[in-house]
Amino acid sequence: KAGVTQTPRYLIKTRGQQVTLSCSPISGHRSVSWYQQTPGQGLQFLFEYFSETQRNKGNFPGRFSGRQFSNSRSEMNVSTLELGDSALYLCASSPRLTSGAQWEQFFGPGTRLTVL
Amino acid sequence: AQSVTQLDSHVSVSEGTPVLLRCNYSSSYSPSLFWYVQHPNKGLQLLLKYTSAATLVKGINGFEAEFKKSETSFHLTKPSAHMSDAAEYFCVVPHNTDKLIFGTGTRLQVFP
Repeated sequence: KAGVTQTPRYLIKTRGQQVTLSCSPISGHRSVSWYQQTPGQGLQFLFEYFSETQRNKGNFPGRFSGRQFSNSRSEMNVSTLELGDSALYLCASSPRLTSGAQWEQFFGPGTRLTVL
Repeated sequence: AQSVTQLDSHVSVSEGTPVLLRCNYSSSYSPSLFWYVQHPNKGLQLLLKYTSAATLVKGINGFEAEFKKSETSFHLTKPSAHMSDAAEYFCVVPHNTDKLIFGTGTRLQVFP
């Protein structure tokens, strides 16, 4: 099975612009989560989608949004980019059907976003 | 609320010597706990997970961890380090709403 894929792998934007990142989960996985990784804040949960519905959300401003399509692919969007949004954005998919910590999350390689 | 504390930001060992990466957790109940590894320019990979079955958990690549409730610890160990083990390691606890709470990470260096 192919792993989680994320596109693009690298992205450079300027302040004020918006950006859309894409994530394709492992085939059959219906849960997709997004995380932000920075040297200062570490790995932080952004949101999780399951069957096109956002199930959980982290403590990020409304500039960060996402969606999931019927084929489970997910996109996240960041509007009005700030310098502090520079980070590695990681997507993870899970076969999880119900809530529970027993389901493993499989991570993609990430998209490295640089905001100038 | 659940949280994890990784006690060392950097650990350096020589190849062939034991590895110990320390993690303490805070939870009002017996949590699930994971260790993930991140190699440079790669995504996170699950090493092992504890989900209230056996307290000694064996993972991939010779790693294991022991859940100790009395010490609220979940330290990661390996008897003999290999150069390929050089990476960043994260202790993780799932929040009760299923999101993962990551520790701050421990960077493992392995010297020849």
